[in-house]
Amino acid sequence: GENVEQHPSTLSVQEGDSAVIKCTYSDSASNYFPWYKQELGKRPQLIIDIRSNVGEKKDQRIAVTLNKTAKHFSLHITETQPEDSAVYFCAAGQDTGRRALTFGSGTRLQVQP
Amino acid sequence: DGGITQSPKYLFRKEGQNVTLSCEQNLNHDAMYWYRQDPGQGLRLIYYSQIVNDFQKGDIAEGYSVSREKKESFPLTVTSAQKNPTAFYLCASSKSWGGGQPQHFGDGTRLSIL
Repeated sequence: GENVEQHPSTLSVQEGDSAVIKCTYSDSASNYFPWYKQELGKRPQLIIDIRSNVGEKKDQRIAVTLNKTAKHFSLHITETQPEDSAVYFCAAGQDTGRRALTFGSGTRLQVQP
Repeated sequence: DGGITQSPKYLFRKEGQNVTLSCEQNLNHDAMYWYRQDPGQGLRLIYYSQIVNDFQKGDIAEGYSVSREKKESFPLTVTSAQKNPTAFYLCASSKSWGGGQPQHFGDGTRLSIL
């Protein structure tokens, strides 16, 4: 099956700095990579996703990059703000429907004001 | 997402007791999922249902049971066989089965042992 590893487990940055969270996956057939943000005690919410036919996707201060050859993808947050503080999860899946999304272990991001 | 409702928000279980966590969705999604979340460990899949009247075991199904009698509802029962049930439980749904589309989550139920 699929295995997703996520690093780092915790990340502390100063407000205004950039933050990068990295994930690697094991199954080369995976072709869908969403990122979720979970604030304390709340539900995970989808913030951005990418499919394997593109290498990068941006949405305002958030971007995701994908390297299919190396089987890793990253979340980039620029100009971080205190409200970006949360746990971020990456996931990998296949649109052929053979199994559900496989999630990484999460990264706790702390943005210091 | 207001489309998925989990209840209760907090639940306490006594030794030897079965408890049921509710999950209802009004998104008209075919697929539904139950995850367990422990501190520092991502989301682990307990059970999933591809369509009404169908469900399959996930990675950590032992000590849990589910039913899917209605498209909107996917309740999870934590049985007395689950020796370490204290965790945050999340229900999710997607338009159809598979890992090629986003999942929408409920607000979760936090289960503790009395």
